[in-house]
Amino acid sequence: LAKTTQPISMDSYEGQEVNITCSHNNIATNDYITWYQQFPSQGPRFIIQGYKTKVTNEVASLFIPADRKSSTLSLPRVSLSDTAVYYCLVGGLGSARQLTFGSGTQLTVLP
Amino acid sequence: DAGVIQSPRHEVTEMGQEVTLRCKPISGHNSLFWYRQTMMRGLELLIYFNNNVPIDDSGMPEDRFSAKMPNASFSTLKIQPSEPRDSAVYFCASSSLAGALDNEQFFGPGTRLTVL
Repeated sequence: LAKTTQPISMDSYEGQEVNITCSHNNIATNDYITWYQQFPSQGPRFIIQGYKTKVTNEVASLFIPADRKSSTLSLPRVSLSDTAVYYCLVGGLGSARQLTFGSGTQLTVLP
Repeated sequence: DAGVIQSPRHEVTEMGQEVTLRCKPISGHNSLFWYRQTMMRGLELLIYFNNNVPIDDSGMPEDRFSAKMPNASFSTLKIQPSEPRDSAVYFCASSSLAGALDNEQFFGPGTRLTVL
């Protein structure tokens, strides 16, 4: 299983762009990179998924370098409501067993 | 769609009692997952069903835990007998393998279990 490493916590201020980087040195050829967000007392929520280069949706962007050994989740202009835990997962499509949630990154957005 | 529905939302029981957690996945989804979340161990996948068939139950901690999916719209996770160390939040999630993003799992609100 591809192991991921991400910072335990990050602080930011409202209106700033936040970048959370995840390392996954032993990512496999057929692995995708998926990010989830979890608010207190709620289940995780899918944010974005990508394989290489850049993916953007209405919520975030995901940057993946050519070697795919890391990825960066970018949240533009964060607000207080973006305070949550963010998980980086690596696994093949349809291989739910490989979707192991690590410790995640606690993002705290300050006013 | 109402999303993934779990019941009860909170359960307090005494050690040795049987506990049954229930889940209704999103209509049309063919995969269902049970997770357990604690501060110490984080979010752990317990068991995974595909088309109502258990595919991987290697995450089930002990024989005290069992899960069933009798049909596409209902699943249960049972703990018998329960122990204080089973106290956790249990999440159910569902997904559609036919979807474009089949690593996208939709999580329910969770059941907070406290075993005294």
